[in-house]
Amino acid sequence: SQTIHQWPATLVQPVGSPLSLECTVEGTSNPNLYWYRQAAGRGLQLLFYSVGIGQISSEVPQNLSASRPQDRQFILSSKKLLLSDSGFYLCAWNSNTELFFGSGTQLSVL
Amino acid sequence: EDQVTQSPEALRLQEGESSSLNCSYTVSGLRGLFWYRQDPGKGPEFLFTLYSAGEEKEKERLKATLTKKESFLHITAPKPEDSATYLCAVRSTGGYQKVTFGTGTKLQVIP
Repeated sequence: SQTIHQWPATLVQPVGSPLSLECTVEGTSNPNLYWYRQAAGRGLQLLFYSVGIGQISSEVPQNLSASRPQDRQFILSSKKLLLSDSGFYLCAWNSNTELFFGSGTQLSVL
Repeated sequence: EDQVTQSPEALRLQEGESSSLNCSYTVSGLRGLFWYRQDPGKGPEFLFTLYSAGEEKEKERLKATLTKKESFLHITAPKPEDSATYLCAVRSTGGYQKVTFGTGTKLQVIP
């Protein structure tokens, strides 16, 4: 069966520091992968999606970037975090019938 | 642009008091409407996918229905463990199968 791993679970970072969140998927090949952000009181906002290695599309302009160095690995990064980058970050894998989510990373930028 | 609107934002029920959550949507081409349950600090947990108007699906105390403009999540005789935020989302016919989420309904079931 397919599983999706996301880490770390929580992260507290100072403004201006770098960020790297990792997501890996098991049990499937060539998955469509997504990064969402969920801010308090708001819906899930799609940040990036990827249909294959090295193929990244961005939904909204922002301080973040994404990379897909391997088929089942998706990384969310920032060179310098802003206060507004705080939120709950979710990685997801798209099957033909539904979207499977990881457990999420709660990021607090102070 | 695809849009999903959920109501109410929050709902407080007594244990055993049935109710419904609403999800209104506009989408260029519907390839599926999803319901998820999300507990605090966790990723959304998949509940249902509905594909066409008139379709219904059930799971324990939950029943989801779909029309051409909205979906309802009916909760029959809820229990405290049903307390969570319920998210609705639509998948459109975009090239990468874009999924757009509503802001959710936070359900609290009181014993």
